[in-house]
Amino acid sequence: EVQVVQSGAEVTKPGESLKISCKGSGYRDSSYWVAWVRQMPGKGLEWMGVIYPGDSDTRYSPSFQGRVTISADKSSSKSLTTTYLQLSSLKASDTAMYYCATLLLYKYDTTGVPLYYFDYWGQGTLVTVSS
Amino acid sequence: QSVLTQPPSVSGAPGQRVTISCTGGTSNIGAGYDVHWYQQVPGTAPKVLIYGNSNRPSGVPDRFSGSKSGTSASLAITGLQADDEGDYYCQSYDRSLSGSYVFGTGTKVTVL
Repeated sequence: EVQVVQSGAEVTKPGESLKISCKGSGYRDSSYWVAWVRQMPGKGLEWMGVIYPGDSDTRYSPSFQGRVTISADKSSSKSLTTTYLQLSSLKASDTAMYYCATLLLYKYDTTGVPLYYFDYWGQGTLVTVSS
Repeated sequence: QSVLTQPPSVSGAPGQRVTISCTGGTSNIGAGYDVHWYQQVPGTAPKVLIYGNSNRPSGVPDRFSGSKSGTSASLAITGLQADDEGDYYCQSYDRSLSGSYVFGTGTKVTVL
């Protein structure tokens, strides 16, 4: 059974940095992308970026490029991987729930481009930035 | 600021049918990219309901159905139940701005 487990809630001060984690297990192999999604209090979902743990290929949303860093651990186990989201120079406005989710390849389009949707989600990590 | 627009709220009595629209543009839904739908019950992580416009993952009741036409998509819920209450989001891909996954603004479903 696939499980996606994120690190626990964090409280931090403005100006500090933070790294939260997302551990996935139970996959047949490591051939999947992992995305990070932000949800500010009472607001909607915002895609932040994705990483392919197999080779650490990373793509960022233009809204978050340069403000966050996504990375991954290469595990000797194909069915276990950990990805990270680093938040730097935190502000009160970074207070939010941060989710990770794996992307499932469900088909290729007519030009051979793979298509994905957000499949398994972690439980979320609440980050509170307050002085 | 999301590029996919949804109504802020919809409501219905138990057993009724409700629909949620998701309006995009020529760089996302209108460009042929598929639409997916997620349900988020308060206090929990989102869960996929519909992928590839109209496909249901295993375990999702057939009361949920999706469709897409032009620059818009819709999610229909029939036989509305109390535990359908929550927030619903559409999601697609946008080829502008170096390519991005985009979510809709979200719709709160209330069962009267």
